[in-house]
Amino acid sequence: GAGVSQSPRYKVAKRGQDVALRCDPISGHVSLFWYQQALGQGPEFLTYFQNEAQLDKSGLPSDRFFAERPEGSVSTLKIQRTQQEDSAVYLCASTIKTDTQYFGPGTRLTVL
Amino acid sequence: GESVGLHLPTLSVQEGDNSIINCAYSNSASDYFIWYKQESGKGPQFIIDIRSNMDKRQGQRVTVLLNKTVKHLSLQIAATQPGDSAVYFCAATSASNYQLIWGAGTKLIIKP
Repeated sequence: GAGVSQSPRYKVAKRGQDVALRCDPISGHVSLFWYQQALGQGPEFLTYFQNEAQLDKSGLPSDRFFAERPEGSVSTLKIQRTQQEDSAVYLCASTIKTDTQYFGPGTRLTVL
Repeated sequence: GESVGLHLPTLSVQEGDNSIINCAYSNSASDYFIWYKQESGKGPQFIIDIRSNMDKRQGQRVTVLLNKTVKHLSLQIAATQPGDSAVYFCAATSASNYQLIWGAGTKLIIKP
């Protein structure tokens, strides 16, 4: 595609609900990153895939966060039993290898 | 630890004037630097990058300067326009580490 797309753009969840956020990277991009961004802050690294392999998940804040990229293209970030502190914008970025990262529009998650 | 910091959280510039946004980094191993522009409700958009073997790089109306001696880089925007209003982030990484280290962001406000 022309760029990285993410869905949904906005998600409101009640505390305790599970959510799934989708990322469609640029076609042919090997690497995919997930970030969490709080208001007024830079993105915070969550996890990194190279093709279908999750090479780094050190940024995931708790075991309630899980990401997958089973076929090396689309990726899903899942948050189980959402908490209010999970409210943030979740950004996905892709790159050919580890060069310039191109970002999607993000998903704004609000947990009530 | 590693950090990339911005000197000013908000910068107000008269339309038509030049804007200069500064950034300092702490890791001397950083060798690749990127400036991103983030408009409200959007993901970070790549503006320009520079590698450590260069001191200056120019794009369309933008110039990035890198001073490795003092670990400082700047983004210069010529003839600032209303569409330049956004938060600007610098990010740094190295060839051995795919992770981007982000600054907190500088909000650029254009005065008519």
